[in-house]
Amino acid sequence: DAGVTQSPTHLIKTRGQHVTLRCSPISGHKSVSWYQQVLGQGPQFIFQYYEKEERGRGNFPDRFSARQFPNYSSELNVNALLLGDSALYLCASSPLALPTDTQYFGPGTRLTVL
Amino acid sequence: AQSVAQPEDQVNVAEGNPLTVKCTYSVSGNPYLFWYVQYPNRGLQFLLKYITGDNLVKGSYGFEAEFNKSQTSFHLKKPSALVSDSALYFCAVRAPGNTPLVFGKGTRLSVIA
Repeated sequence: DAGVTQSPTHLIKTRGQHVTLRCSPISGHKSVSWYQQVLGQGPQFIFQYYEKEERGRGNFPDRFSARQFPNYSSELNVNALLLGDSALYLCASSPLALPTDTQYFGPGTRLTVL
Repeated sequence: AQSVAQPEDQVNVAEGNPLTVKCTYSVSGNPYLFWYVQYPNRGLQFLLKYITGDNLVKGSYGFEAEFNKSQTSFHLKKPSALVSDSALYFCAVRAPGNTPLVFGKGTRLSVIA
């Protein structure tokens, strides 16, 4: 079975631009979460979606937004990019949105903002 | 709010020796605890989790972890380290209810042949 897939693998943008990152969950998983991992740090929670509804939001500015589609895939959008947005963006899927669920991670999208 | 501490940035161990990667947590209520491993330029791979029941949890690749409620710890262990275990290890905690998964800063494990 395919794992969580993310696209693109790498992305280079300049300050002020916007970016869209995409994620496809494991087949049968209905929840997708997004994390930001800055170099040298652990992943930091951005959003969780379940059945197309936002279930949680981390401490990120409104420049960050996301959505989940009927096929459970998801997009993360970041507007007005800042240098500090450079990071590895990880998507994780889980069967439901229970706190006991294991989250399975994709390989990530490396975003560089110049 | 929940939090995780991984007190060691780096752990070095000789191949064949036992390894321990430390993790302590803070959470309101019963914790749900997870360990993940990250190889260079890769996402996180799930190793094991503690939800309830037996305090000793066995996971992938021969790893295990012991939940200690009184010490609020969930240390990762392996009886005999392999060079291929060299990677970045993350402990994470989640509280009951609609709460986020919170990660520690990670511990880099280096297994020397």
